[in-house]
Amino acid sequence: DTAVSQTPKYLVTQMGNDKSIKCEQNLGHDTMYWYKQDSKKFLKIMFSYNNKELIINETVPNRFSPKSPDKAHLNLHINSLELGDSAVYFCASSFLRTSGTDTQYFGPGTRLTVL
Amino acid sequence: GENVEQHPSTLSVQEGDSAVIKCTYSDSASNYFPWYKQELGKGPQLIIDIRSNVGEKKDQRIAVTLNKTAKHFSLHITETQPEDSAVYFCAASNPMDSNYQLIWGAGTKLIIKP
Repeated sequence: DTAVSQTPKYLVTQMGNDKSIKCEQNLGHDTMYWYKQDSKKFLKIMFSYNNKELIINETVPNRFSPKSPDKAHLNLHINSLELGDSAVYFCASSFLRTSGTDTQYFGPGTRLTVL
Repeated sequence: GENVEQHPSTLSVQEGDSAVIKCTYSDSASNYFPWYKQELGKGPQLIIDIRSNVGEKKDQRIAVTLNKTAKHFSLHITETQPEDSAVYFCAASNPMDSNYQLIWGAGTKLIIKP
């Protein structure tokens, strides 16, 4: 049973198109994240939702819009795709506790290639 | 805010030897330090973590040490095996951060030579 799943695994598209990536977790976690990993493997947090509320919103172009319909899902929509958006996008989930951060569980990633 | 530096960026060791990856952090209030392993084509996965109330933690061939005074922590892998080849990330978290955000190091690519 997959704990954190993402679709699609690969996404190849033309510049200027709009695309979405979906994420689902079945761990019962209350918090979900989107990360971008570039070709140098650096992990950059983009967004985080806790109980469907946005809690982390890093400096990301407003072409990127997350949506959390419920605690188990966090989708990422990207408008007007640019070459620089090419990367691997990871979804993750965790519990947030009053003591601080808990283990984050990552999905398998979505490799986005913009031509 | 917190900043985490990780070294080296690439580490190549002979199978059976030990590997050490080091991270330094800037925020003395940080108290949680996890290490994640990312195998090729997969997402990162937690392998070990340490909280600031302990100085060392071991789990079979891996260990993490924490020096709060110097604000650095290290991952030690002994008797390395081919399956240890991966990218390793350190991270730090400050419980006073209302976002409970993990601040990530840049990653270390570990290569185990047969």
